[in-house]
Amino acid sequence: EDKVVQSPLSLVVHEGDTVTLNCSYEVTNFRSLLWYKQEKKAPTFLFMLTSSGIEKKSGRLSSILDKKELFSILNITATQTGDSAVYLCAVEAPEYGNKLVFGAGTILRVKS
Amino acid sequence: NAGVTQTPKFRVLKTGQSMTLLCAQDMNHEYMYWYRQDPGMGLRLIHYSVGEGTTAKGEVPDGYNVSRLKKQNFLLGLESAAPSQTSVYFCASSIPGSAKNIQYFGAGTRLSVL
Repeated sequence: EDKVVQSPLSLVVHEGDTVTLNCSYEVTNFRSLLWYKQEKKAPTFLFMLTSSGIEKKSGRLSSILDKKELFSILNITATQTGDSAVYLCAVEAPEYGNKLVFGAGTILRVKS
Repeated sequence: NAGVTQTPKFRVLKTGQSMTLLCAQDMNHEYMYWYRQDPGMGLRLIHYSVGEGTTAKGEVPDGYNVSRLKKQNFLLGLESAAPSQTSVYFCASSIPGSAKNIQYFGAGTRLSVL
């Protein structure tokens, strides 16, 4: 059965800290891994990773994929209170119309 | 640029009542999906559609039906609501293809079944 596990489940940091969120997966016929940020409402897309070892970067956020060890990390540097959210990791599988298999998410709270 | 729009945003039902959730996208996406999100769990796929006039079951389809009569709309129906269907429902859409299959989500519908 396809599975995505995120850790930690939650964490609280202070503004300016750097955080690393983890995502491990077991998916048959892996195609890509996606990170989403979910505030009060819709999950919003952050990154899609398909190739191992290539870092994707957007401002203070970056992510990398290790297809051999079946995991990905999402780094956030110089955190701000606006980074407080649930971060979702999902892996694309070819079944069910290219469904996404989601982890339960990491709840990040950044204190000022 | 509206993207994916879901209506209603909130709804409270009594056990046994029926309702339809509407999802509309203006990005001309072929694929559409309905997920439910429950505390401590990831989003789980209920039903999906790979094009106008087609629908298929996802991982947790029991108690739900769907229709995709127009490309831009995907409807999720609950024929006889049960308390176990209390959840937040998300619709998503995407363009097929491994390079572009980023799913874009609506803001969600929070449903409580009493």
